[in-house]
Amino acid sequence: KQEVTQIPAALSVPEGENLVLNCSFTDSAIYNLQWFRQDPGKGLTSLLLIQSSQREQTSGRLNASLDKSSGRSTLYIAASQPGDSATYLCAVENSGYALNFGKGTSLLVTP
Amino acid sequence: ETGVTQSPTHLIKTRGQQVTLRCSSQSGHNTVSWYQQALGQGPQFIFQYYREEENGRGNFPPRFSGLQFPNYSSELNVNALELDDSALYLCASSFGGSEYNEQFFGPGTRLTVL
Repeated sequence: KQEVTQIPAALSVPEGENLVLNCSFTDSAIYNLQWFRQDPGKGLTSLLLIQSSQREQTSGRLNASLDKSSGRSTLYIAASQPGDSATYLCAVENSGYALNFGKGTSLLVTP
Repeated sequence: ETGVTQSPTHLIKTRGQQVTLRCSSQSGHNTVSWYQQALGQGPQFIFQYYREEENGRGNFPPRFSGLQFPNYSSELNVNALELDDSALYLCASSFGGSEYNEQFFGPGTRLTVL
């Protein structure tokens, strides 16, 4: 059974800092890994998807990397802004249909 | 391009009742997945429908059932509601049958069972 862990559970940083969120998974036979953002009480916004054959994906200030063999992914956020405050969820797909989610990292960026 | 929509936004039911939640998939998508998210937890997979057939199911009892219609919209039905069914229910759509199976989520339905 796939287990997805996200560290840290919560993070508070001042505006402008670069930061890294971590995700680890136990079963490396994945199809892809997806990072999401969730604002309180809202749905999920897809940020980046990395296919199993890829090592990283970039979108604006976000960069996600994938090391399948070690079961790890990181989400790097450059020059953080207060608007980045949200919960960030990592999810892996290794069944062809279901996403397995971590519990998320709650990020607060203070002005 | 229309995104994933869900209705209703909020719902309050009492224990033992039945509920139906609805989801319209993103234009061009043929696959709908449903997830349950309890407070402070990551979403848990309930089931997926691909071209009107159930394509996979998570660890949820049979009182959780679903449908997908020819236009690829979907319903989630929950019978005999329990207090623990209180959660945010999320629908995601994707284009099944491809390796690039990016899932796009709707805003969710908040269900409260009293």
